[in-house]
Amino acid sequence: GAGVSQSPSNKVTEKGKDVELRCDPISGHTALYWYRQSLGQGLEFLIYFQGNSAPDKSGLPSDRFSAERTGGSVSTLTIQRTQQEDSAVYLCASSTTGLSETQYFGPGTRLLVL
Amino acid sequence: GIQVEQSPPDLILQEGANSTLRCNFSDSVNNLQWFHQNPWGQLINLFYIPSGTKQNGRLSATTVATERYSLLYISSSQTTDSGVYFCAVDTGSARQLTFGSGTQLTVLP
Repeated sequence: GAGVSQSPSNKVTEKGKDVELRCDPISGHTALYWYRQSLGQGLEFLIYFQGNSAPDKSGLPSDRFSAERTGGSVSTLTIQRTQQEDSAVYLCASSTTGLSETQYFGPGTRLLVL
Repeated sequence: GIQVEQSPPDLILQEGANSTLRCNFSDSVNNLQWFHQNPWGQLINLFYIPSGTKQNGRLSATTVATERYSLLYISSSQTTDSGVYFCAVDTGSARQLTFGSGTQLTVLP
């Protein structure tokens, strides 16, 4: 596609529920990243996928967070048993190779946990 | 890990004024990007500039890698330039961008 797309745009959920966030990277981009931006803060790295390699999960804040990437394209970030502190904007980015290449960001999913 | 500091944290300008935003980083980098986050939250790439100087219209950027800083220049500012400007770096080993805390720019008409 023309750019990185994410869905849903907004998600409101109750504490304790599971949520799934989706990212469609730019066609042909092999590297995909998830970041989180809490209110008024900078961006925090969560996870990185490069081709068929094992993902770099070093930024995931707890074992309630997981992500997968199917067929080297679409990625899903799952948050289990959501907590209020999970409320944030979740941003996805992609790049051509992931090795110091320009990253292009999607519009984000705004998650609110009540 | 690498530290990224941006200054000033807040900047208010009158339309037409020029400004310089600074990004200091604590280690050698393979990637440095400047982003503009608009009021709707979209992050827009401005420059990919691990070293050297680039210009795009009213914006230009310079990175002096040996001295570990980058500057973003905005000339003849417009109200649409308002938003948060982020600097982000990648050391190559981490394969992720580490973001600064941003500069909140407000351009008044």
